[in-house]
Amino acid sequence: DQQVKQNSPSLSVQEGRISILNCDYTNSMFDYFLWYKKYPAEGPTFLISISSIKDKNEDGRFTVFLNKSAKHLSLHIVPSQPGDSAVYFCAASITGNQFYFGTGTSLTVIP
Amino acid sequence: DVKVTQSSRYLVKRTGEKVFLECVQDMDHENMFWYRQDPGLGLRLIYFSYDVKMKEKGDIPEGYSVSREKKERFSLILESASTNQTSMYLCASSLAETPTPGELFFGEGSRLTVL
Repeated sequence: DQQVKQNSPSLSVQEGRISILNCDYTNSMFDYFLWYKKYPAEGPTFLISISSIKDKNEDGRFTVFLNKSAKHLSLHIVPSQPGDSAVYFCAASITGNQFYFGTGTSLTVIP
Repeated sequence: DVKVTQSSRYLVKRTGEKVFLECVQDMDHENMFWYRQDPGLGLRLIYFSYDVKMKEKGDIPEGYSVSREKKERFSLILESASTNQTSMYLCASSLAETPTPGELFFGEGSRLTVL
């Protein structure tokens, strides 16, 4: 059973606009959430994270929002740039040990 | 910078062959992981290790084994490769204690095709 779900396999956004990537989870025990970015033929790289005691974490153009009651998190990228085109995976963990990944959302930023 | 190196980027093997995928990290990380990535399924954990000679099963360990004889090296073994093991294999490592729990450092991946 998929404990972390990304229901949108792909997303296209115009350059300069906001990209919103969504992620839902089922296990209320998850206490740490992360987003990874993956370019073709490369391994995923860590992008941003959030602890379950927070509802927002911001790092430059990237902001992650956590809604624990809805078991939902989202990644906002603003403004979107063509170099942001990649596959984005959300991940969740309990005590930072085993991590559960979503299926990924392929973001295309159109120049 | 942390570097996780996977020995082979591309491999083609035949059904029934024994396959070794090697992974080395250079930052003295305690934790190491093997994932496979398949379209529509995301990253699924095969095995992980918190210390030398320790190993734990992940979500899909069937058909795989691992070896961690040294802290920096974590090997994934397919005892008898099958076509359903055709996939992208990703190795990752992390610190046991970190201000950013869950920050994994991934290798570039090994794309295995089993004919």
